[in-house]
Formats: sequence, structure tokens, C-alpha cells
Amino acid sequence: AQKITQTQPGMFVQEKEAVTLDCTYDTSDQSYGLFWYKQPSSGEMIFLIYQGSYDEQNATEGRYSLNFQKARKSANLVISASQLGDSAMYFCAMTASNYQLIWGAGTKLIIKP
Amino acid sequence: DAGVIQSPRHEVTEMGQEVTLRCKPISGHNSLFWYRQTMMRGLELLIYFNNNVPIDDSGMPEDRFSAKMPNASFSTLKIQPSEPRDSAVYFCASTLAGVFSYEQYFGPGTRLTVT
Repeated sequence: AQKITQTQPGMFVQEKEAVTLDCTYDTSDQSYGLFWYKQPSSGEMIFLIYQGSYDEQNATEGRYSLNFQKARKSANLVISASQLGDSAMYFCAMTASNYQLIWGAGTKLIIKP
Repeated sequence: DAGVIQSPRHEVTEMGQEVTLRCKPISGHNSLFWYRQTMMRGLELLIYFNNNVPIDDSGMPEDRFSAKMPNASFSTLKIQPSEPRDSAVYFCASTLAGVFSYEQYFGPGTRLTVT
């Protein structure tokens, strides 16, 4: 069965440091997609970044990059030069059948000034 | 371009009352999802529509919950009768299924409190 695992319930990071949020996945599909979403305290769910299983290069979007290691089935989110506004819940998700997404439990990131 | 629109943003109701949540997906998107989020259970998919047709409603908790999508630009989630355990944030999301990178775009959510 498809599954997403986020092993870090919470993280504290000093402002301006880089952050890595872990995500591992399990699937028998050859073709799949991986996503990261941010949910700040205001509650909205914000799409951050996408990685396709056949993409040879790691996806990047501004300060966000996705460290995709296919053999290890990991899709870690890296945030460079963290800012106070990065404090939020972060969810990893994966494509499933019928265009649905399988979601991880999330990691609560707190950036310390 | 407007994002996913949900109304109301907040709803407080008494147990036993009917609650209707509304969603307008992004224009051109052909798939719509209703989610429920609570601290205890996280993000749960309730029902998914593709081209206005319900594809998977296995996440709908019980018969008190129903969802409709009469056209491509409108969907409702109804709870009748409501119970305190239905208190949660309900999200609507839409996507363009058929292209592989089908990221879902979420509405702002409806915070439902049932007393």
C-alpha cells in the first residue's frame, strides 16, 4: 500500500539556518509525483514544490528544494536561509490512484529569532 | 485568477442542525476534493469528484454527510444532523487531473464548530 512517513513531529531551527524536513514514501508504482505543502498558523494550505519520479534533477522553487533520492524512497524538503515566516506545518504528499494524494502526518517547524 | 473559494469561513451551530459548506473550484479544473482536518486525525479525504461525478466517497464518515457537485463551478458538503465530533476545518481543493503534476490548490477552509 502507498504510504508517506514524516518522522519529525516538530523541529526548532535558528533563523537563517538551512532546514531539512524528512519524508519517506512507499509505492510500487513506477510513475508517481511528490509534493510539499505549507500550512501556516492562519490555516491555509499552500503548495510549495513538486517532483516527478522520472525527473532527473531535484526540483527547486526559490528557497525551497526537494532532495529526491529515488533508491532510498525519500523526498526531503530543504529550506535555505530560513526566515521567521517559515514557521508552519509542512506536509509531504504523494500521488495515488484516481489523481488523489496520500498525505503524511506533517512536521511542525518553528524558526527561532 | 481567483483561487478556490469557500464559504462560510467560520460556522458555529448547535448539535442537530443542518450545515452546508460551499466551494467554488478554480476555473478550468476538473477535479474537486473535500478534506477534513482535525488535530487528532490530521487531514482526511472525504470525497473526490472528477468532471462533476463522485469517484471516491469512501472517506465520508457516515450517512449524515453528503456532497454534491451540480456543475463544474460549484460543490456543497452537507452535514445533517451535525454533531460535536464534526467540529473541524473543512477544506475544498481542486486540480486539473490528466496532467501529471496535478498539485491540488486549496481553499481557505471552513472552520466548523458544533456545540
